[in-house]
Amino acid sequence: EAGVAQSPRYKIIEKRQSVAFWCNPISGHATLYWYQQILGQGPKLLIQFQNNGVVDDSQLPKDRFSAERLKGVDSTLKIQPAKLEDSAVYLCASAWGGGQETQYFGPGTRLLVL
Amino acid sequence: RKEVEQDPGPFNVPEGATVAFNCTYSNSASQSFFWYRQDCRKEPKLLMSVYSSGNEDGRFTAQLNRASQYISLLIRDSKLSDSATYLCVVRGGGGSQGNLIFGKGTKLSVKP
Repeated sequence: EAGVAQSPRYKIIEKRQSVAFWCNPISGHATLYWYQQILGQGPKLLIQFQNNGVVDDSQLPKDRFSAERLKGVDSTLKIQPAKLEDSAVYLCASAWGGGQETQYFGPGTRLLVL
Repeated sequence: RKEVEQDPGPFNVPEGATVAFNCTYSNSASQSFFWYRQDCRKEPKLLMSVYSSGNEDGRFTAQLNRASQYISLLIRDSKLSDSATYLCVVRGGGGSQGNLIFGKGTKLSVKP
């Protein structure tokens, strides 16, 4: 079974530029999560989708971050404009449902903002 | 107080050693508890769930003490391949049933 796919794997941009990340969850998984992992920290949830609806985006910095999952399958996360402190690994995870199911993580996108 | 707290380590141990990691959580309404493993520059992967009765998976034993809001992981007979960061994870209580809250992780380095 194919795992969670993410692209790109690495991205280097300058501050104030825009960047977008893509995630394709495991086939059939209804729930999709985006996490931010800063170096030396654990992952922090940014947004949770159930199918194409947002369940929780309370920790998403909405002035610069946006995410969508228009058809309830793959998802994009955008940062515009980027700041130095956005340098992190952005992890996408998916789960069968939204309750107690195991979350499976993708390999992440490593972002460096200069 | 942080939601999930762990000793960051690093723990440097010889092969064959027994090592224990501890974790505390602040939300008494938390419902589920896990240990994840994260290798360097890789994604987190579920190592094991943690139950009140304690559970064991080979060389790994996890314990939960709800009264003290404390979680532990014991690794016996450490192998070189156990070198990784171990993340204590709590599934949030209240309305966000699916949300995982991660500790900062404890780094383990097993030496020959």
